[in-house]
Amino acid sequence: AQSVAQPEDQVNVAEGNPLTVKCTYSVSGNPYLFWYVQYPNRGLQFLLKYITGDNLVKGSYGFEAEFNKSQTSFHLKKPSALVSDSALYFCASDNYGQNFVFGPGTRLSVLP
Amino acid sequence: KAGVTQTPRYLIKTRGQQVTLSCSPISGHRSVSWYQQTPGQGLQFLFEYFSETQRNKGNFPGRFSGRQFSNSRSEMNVSTLELGDSALYLCASRTGARNEQFFGPGTRLTVL
Repeated sequence: AQSVAQPEDQVNVAEGNPLTVKCTYSVSGNPYLFWYVQYPNRGLQFLLKYITGDNLVKGSYGFEAEFNKSQTSFHLKKPSALVSDSALYFCASDNYGQNFVFGPGTRLSVLP
Repeated sequence: KAGVTQTPRYLIKTRGQQVTLSCSPISGHRSVSWYQQTPGQGLQFLFEYFSETQRNKGNFPGRFSGRQFSNSRSEMNVSTLELGDSALYLCASRTGARNEQFFGPGTRLTVL
């Protein structure tokens, strides 16, 4: 069975500093991986996805993610954090086209 | 294109009652999935419908059911509500398997 882990419940970063939100996966075969962001009282917003090809994927709002097959990781990154980036972030894997398997989420706080 | 819409946005029910939630997917999307989000359990997959057929089902009791109509709109029903059913119920649509899902704002269900 597929599983997705986000080892940090909370990440704090100062505005203007780079941010990283970590994700590791346990998926056999070729994983399809996704990042979503959730703001308070809102649904999830799609940020980016990895299917195949370049290991560095660029997405919305200046976010990017790096796929690393040897480390089974798919970390979300942004060069310069904004206070408005403060939200709950979810990593997800496509379960062989059946349903998404989500990680537990990481709360990002960007401090002014 | 209009996004995924869910109605109602908020519901308060009492134990033992039943509830029906509605989801209208993005135009052209034939797949609709439902998720339950709680602070303790995170995002859990309920079921997915594609072209009016349930394609996948998560590990929830039979009190949770759904259906999809010919226009791809979907409803989710929960019978004999329990306190533990209090959650944010999210609907998501996509064009097909292995594609990114687009989420609605959710329905916040409170069971008293």
